[in-house]
Amino acid sequence: QSALTQPASVSGSPGQSITISCTGTSSDVGGDDYVSWYQQHPGKAPKLMIYGVRNRPSGVSIRFSGSKSGNTASLTISGLQAEDEADYYCNSYTSSRTGVFGTGTRVTVL
Amino acid sequence: EVQFVESGGGLVQPGGSLRLSCAASGFPFSTYWMHWVRQAPGKGLVWVSRINSDESARMYADSVKGRFTISRDNAKNTLFLQMDSLRAEDTAVYFCVKDDHLWQLSTWGQGTLVTVSS
Repeated sequence: QSALTQPASVSGSPGQSITISCTGTSSDVGGDDYVSWYQQHPGKAPKLMIYGVRNRPSGVSIRFSGSKSGNTASLTISGLQAEDEADYYCNSYTSSRTGVFGTGTRVTVL
Repeated sequence: EVQFVESGGGLVQPGGSLRLSCAASGFPFSTYWMHWVRQAPGKGLVWVSRINSDESARMYADSVKGRFTISRDNAKNTLFLQMDSLRAEDTAVYFCVKDDHLWQLSTWGQGTLVTVSS
């Protein structure tokens, strides 16, 4: 159950687009479409941003989108805003019927 | 409104035990899978355990298997995590989480802090 690999940090200027990658194996990310993404502001509980690779829960901005290719999932934030500055984590269901999170990515708005 | 009230955290010595509780309201608790997720101070999220709606299936991370037990009382809308043989590396904030469908961790509690130290 090794953590999925994410870049430690990603930054961008307001209005720009950024993409966060989440790399696993064929036993987790590549195995099915149960990949989700979470946003966490300091001192707060995480918030679901994307589920099922590319689906947005009600209330989440359309600026957030998800995709997957092979064993790598991605979260793209378009039109970057100051409020997007936070930590982001991917999560995947695994072939062992357990779950695994990514290492986490700190997004900084320059 | 979906709400969780977590309790049971605190300071415990290595080798000791704690039982976390998560009282749920605002949704039909008995029909949803539930999870525990933890976060060590300054570190990332780690999935701990999952239980299905009728307790017939429980899964655990390798790091806690054999030491932690997840359970639920659907009559009292409450999720539990019994933690035994606690280690320093179990120190973390523990979140209870509602799973809307097939690993959509949709709603999170505010967390309860567990500190394992002598």
